[in-house]
Amino acid sequence: GNSVTQMEGPVTLSEEAFLTINCTYTATGYPSLFWYVQYPGEGLQLLLKATKADDKGSNKGFEATYRKETTSFHLEKGSVQVSDSAVYFCAQHQGAQKLVFGQGTRLTINP
Amino acid sequence: GAVVSQHPSRVICKSGTSVKIECRSLDFQATTMFWYRQFPKKSLMLMATSNEGSKATYEQGVEKDKFLINHASLTLSTLTVTSAHPEDSSFYICSARETSGYNEQFFGPGTRLTVL
Repeated sequence: GNSVTQMEGPVTLSEEAFLTINCTYTATGYPSLFWYVQYPGEGLQLLLKATKADDKGSNKGFEATYRKETTSFHLEKGSVQVSDSAVYFCAQHQGAQKLVFGQGTRLTINP
Repeated sequence: GAVVSQHPSRVICKSGTSVKIECRSLDFQATTMFWYRQFPKKSLMLMATSNEGSKATYEQGVEKDKFLINHASLTLSTLTVTSAHPEDSSFYICSARETSGYNEQFFGPGTRLTVL
C-alpha cells in the first residue's frame, strides 16, 4: 500500500542553520505530496504541496521538490528561526483517497 | 483560505460520560470530513471518513459504537465519544475536503479530551 517515511526526530538546530527533513514515499501511481506543520497544541496547517513530478512547493522560506526518480519530497529551509519550532508531517494522497501521513519530525530551533 | 473550526478546543469529563465534538467548515462546503486521533508525540491516526448524508466509514480497529459520527450537513460533522474512559483521552483533529476542485483537506485546530 501507499506509505510515507520521514527521517527520525527530534531535530535540534541553532537559529539561522540550514534545515533538511527527509521524506520518501511509496505509491502505486502518482500521488500529490504535502508538508504539514503542527505548532504546539494546535491542529495541522498546510505548509506546501506539489501535485506532479518536478513541481516545487514553497512557502515561508520552506521548499520541497517532487522527485519521482527518487520518490522523495525533502523539506528544506536555508535559515531557520526559533518560530519554526514545530512538528512537521509529510503526507501523500491520490485522487479521492485518504491522506497518508509520515510519523512526523519534531524540530526545535535554539536561539 | 478555507477555514475549519472545532468546538470545544478542550474538554474534561468524568469517566462514563459522553462528549460531543463539532467540526465545521466555515467558508466552504465539505461533502467529506475526516476524524483523526493523535497520541502524544505521535502521528495522526485516521479514525473514520464521514460523508454528508450517509454512514461514516470506520478504519479497522475503531469501534463505531464508541465513536459515533454524524455528518448531517455540508458544513458540520460531529464526533461523540460515548461512555468515555481515561484511555480515550487524546487530541482529536478533524479535516474537511472541498467538494470541488483539488480535493485538498483543511484541518481544524483540534480538541483536547481528558477523561478523569
